Amino acid sequence: DIQMTQSPSSVSASVGDRVTITCRASQGISSWLIWYQQKPGKAPKLLIYAASTLQSGVPSRFSGSGSGTDFTLTISSLQPEDFATYYCQQANSFPRTFGHGTKVEIK
Amino acid sequence: QVQLQESGPGLVKPSQTLSLTCTVSGVSINSGGYYWSWIRQSPGKGLEWIGCIFYSGSTYYNPSLKSRVTISVDTSKTHFSLTLRSVTAADTAVYFCAREEEHLEVSLGRYYYYMDVWGKGTTVTVSS
Repeated sequence: DIQMTQSPSSVSASVGDRVTITCRASQGISSWLIWYQQKPGKAPKLLIYAASTLQSGVPSRFSGSGSGTDFTLTISSLQPEDFATYYCQQANSFPRTFGHGTKVEIK
Repeated sequence: QVQLQESGPGLVKPSQTLSLTCTVSGVSINSGGYYWSWIRQSPGKGLEWIGCIFYSGSTYYNPSLKSRVTISVDTSKTHFSLTLRSVTAADTAVYFCAREEEHLEVSLGRYYYYMDVWGKGTTVTVSS
């Protein structure tokens, strides 16, 4: 199985801050990397696929980059609705595997 | 608009079988290019992929659960199901169904995969 390691596990930030979350795969996954946002009591929401392609309707303050084993999710200017937990997931092979999540909290 | 809705018992006794159904509306399960998936989330924990069934009928399972899991599509093609046998307290979780799209990025000439539609989730507790 491909292991996905996210860091940090949590981050405290203020509205307007730039936030960066990293995800590392245990082996190369090309650009088969997805980012989801999850709020308490809700299902995950697709943000980015193919490492850097923004899903329709997702604000442009979200961006993704990376290829191979190292990936980044950036929120350029944190908004109140962005406080949530973010997960990366690899879609290179089965079984699909997720990172353990990064909780973005209010500072 | 594609929607998924999980249903099933909220309480299952240890050693018994957990059975959940995901009702799909707005698209046919037979439509090409989709994997119909199950994911779970234990209390306060992260996401665990359980497995999926391709529109062709092929199934893929998490090796950690493979001996206990079956995913199938109903003959009506309006819902798919999860069966998890011999459950323990460790199987207590919120169970989500989701659609994973096999998306052809024409400009790059390659397929990408992502879960773009999710059900709201159903909580299953394993307890006597």
